[in-house]
Amino acid sequence: GESVGLHLPTLSVQEGDNSIINCAYSNSASDYFIWYKQESGKGPQFIIDIRSNMDKRQGQRVTVLLNKTVKHLSLQIAATQPGDSAVYFCAENTAAGNKLTFGGGTRVLVKP
Amino acid sequence: GAVVSQHPSWVICKSGTSVKIECRSLDFQATTMFWYRQFPKQSLMLMATSNEGSKATYEQGVEKDKFLINHASLTLSTLTVTSAHPEDSSFYICSAGDGGKYGYTFGSGTRLTVV
Repeated sequence: GESVGLHLPTLSVQEGDNSIINCAYSNSASDYFIWYKQESGKGPQFIIDIRSNMDKRQGQRVTVLLNKTVKHLSLQIAATQPGDSAVYFCAENTAAGNKLTFGGGTRVLVKP
Repeated sequence: GAVVSQHPSWVICKSGTSVKIECRSLDFQATTMFWYRQFPKQSLMLMATSNEGSKATYEQGVEKDKFLINHASLTLSTLTVTSAHPEDSSFYICSAGDGGKYGYTFGSGTRLTVV
């Protein structure tokens, strides 16, 4: 079936540097995308979202970019902090099913 | 903001017994609730979608007779793992939506260990 970025790479980043996390999705019908942060033993925490009629959205220290042409989503974290260490998932909403499909996730390790 | 409470946060049960997990929306009415399962170092896999007052819709490969879902009110959904086996040990997470297409709030998850 359709999938969103099924792999779990690890990104090591120096504290203070910027982080870029990538996600590929395959369902061209998806029209809403969300980035979640998950710390060990906890549920996903909403970070930022973007709708398919946009290609960029900014939040506090985070930016999401959407490239519908190549079905690619990215999350940029500015000035990465130790508290940003977690697993980050992208998720897509399939309009017909109204349910979130999660990608494989990326573990971010922030080095002091 | 929207808050979803999930209980218990962890549970250990003996093989063959049943375990019930509760998911409550505390400050909004959840017309739809979703149940996910997450194995270590893996992503969240949707198990089923439940709408208040109707039967749950299960994803392919999820046994509906083993994972009983009840969504009897707009603020409570329960997942019961029946006749649990060690392979059911996992992290179970619920999320709730208020009927708007874009709003989902996640619970804090339940760590189930079957011994």
